[in-house]
Amino acid sequence: DGGITQSPKYLFRKEGQNVTLSCEQNLNHDAMYWYRQDPGQGLRLIYYSQIVNDFQKGDIAEGYSVSREKKESFPLTVTSAQKNPTAFYLCASCRTGTNYGYTFGSGTRLTVV
Amino acid sequence: GQQLNQSPQSMFIQEGEDVSMNCTSSSIFNTWLWYKQEPGEGPVLLIALYKAGELTSNGRLTAQFGITRKDSFLNISASIPSDVGIYFCAGQRGSNYKLTFGKGTLLTVNP
Repeated sequence: DGGITQSPKYLFRKEGQNVTLSCEQNLNHDAMYWYRQDPGQGLRLIYYSQIVNDFQKGDIAEGYSVSREKKESFPLTVTSAQKNPTAFYLCASCRTGTNYGYTFGSGTRLTVV
Repeated sequence: GQQLNQSPQSMFIQEGEDVSMNCTSSSIFNTWLWYKQEPGEGPVLLIALYKAGELTSNGRLTAQFGITRKDSFLNISASIPSDVGIYFCAGQRGSNYKLTFGKGTLLTVNP
């Protein structure tokens, strides 16, 4: 079955370390997105990519980096520059030029210890 | 970035009660979507609306696309404990635009 997979489900990081969250989809979707979710804050867009080898900053890109070398993959790196990285991270994808909404992964909970 | 105004922020109801929530915007959208997020999981699409005035049902859920294109409503009838979660609205201006999300409505159902 097609879907979008995020791994790991839970991630612990020491302060000052970079960490990479994985997002893979086999839906043949063109566009992929990373959101951060904090209690009461809704979904805040970090980065998005509409085609391979191209990506755009979202509303809260500082302290994060991404790459889009393959259509299926859109990893997110949380760098040591991110002041408050503890959060729930969601990846999503969609087919560009459609209005069918996004398909979301099941999320990664990152905790800084 | 712009966010939709979603209300209420949270609801505590008894099992069997009906629930209503809504989203409003100062801008027009051509598509309205409603998602449900269960604890520790990603949002899942419940209902998609594509035409002003459209009323669409999915089991006990009914959603409407407002006539002005600036709002949408979601109703849940005869709530059950598994309805617990966060409900998000999302609007899309056109097929090449990103979704704009509301901040969500946290629903708690007491058995």
